[in-house]
Amino acid sequence: RKEVEQDPGPFNVPEGATVAFNCTYSNSASQSFFWYRQDCRKEPKLLMSVYSSGNEDGRFTAQLNRASQYISLLIRDSKLSDSATYLCVVTGGADSWGKLQFGAGTQVVVTP
Amino acid sequence: DAGVTQSPTHLIKTRGQQVTLRCSPKSGHDTVSWYQQALGQGPQFIFQYYEEEERQRGNFPDRFSGHQFPNYSSELNVNALLLGDSALYLCASAQAGVYTEAFFGQGTRLTVV
Repeated sequence: RKEVEQDPGPFNVPEGATVAFNCTYSNSASQSFFWYRQDCRKEPKLLMSVYSSGNEDGRFTAQLNRASQYISLLIRDSKLSDSATYLCVVTGGADSWGKLQFGAGTQVVVTP
Repeated sequence: DAGVTQSPTHLIKTRGQQVTLRCSPKSGHDTVSWYQQALGQGPQFIFQYYEEEERQRGNFPDRFSGHQFPNYSSELNVNALLLGDSALYLCASAQAGVYTEAFFGQGTRLTVV
């Protein structure tokens, strides 16, 4: 079983619509959680950190459910520029500081 | 601030050859990690360097080795290249103990033929 699993998509989303997707992780000792965005053939870039209380950054909302070991990302009022692959990232305990565990990514395609 | 820089951006090598990839971390960062991203997959952790030592290692064979220099820059070496080593190799830097975001370089796209 992979340590971080994501639905690969693609999620085809009309411009202006809302899209949400999840990521599950297997290591219950995981401490930090992130969503990264990766455009085609580019490097990953941090979209947002994910906190237990949930957090929002503009049109993006991230949630963490430690009991069920999943993370979610919701994008409201989708823009064409939101088309990208969204990577779920988890880090382990103190002995694996800085070692990022990536999911394979969820592809989002926003259409006019 | 130049951010994380990697060189070269693209590289074509023949099976069995050796390759060296280079990374300069973001200013103020002292920790460098290397990742391999195959097509359609997420990045996979290779290893991490801090204070010129390998601190953590992912599930990669000994053909993959690295080095960190006193100026915090780093090299990734891959020996006896296989076709399956073809991938985007990403370098990420961070400041030890202050991990809020890893900054990635633009990557080196390695093709083994």
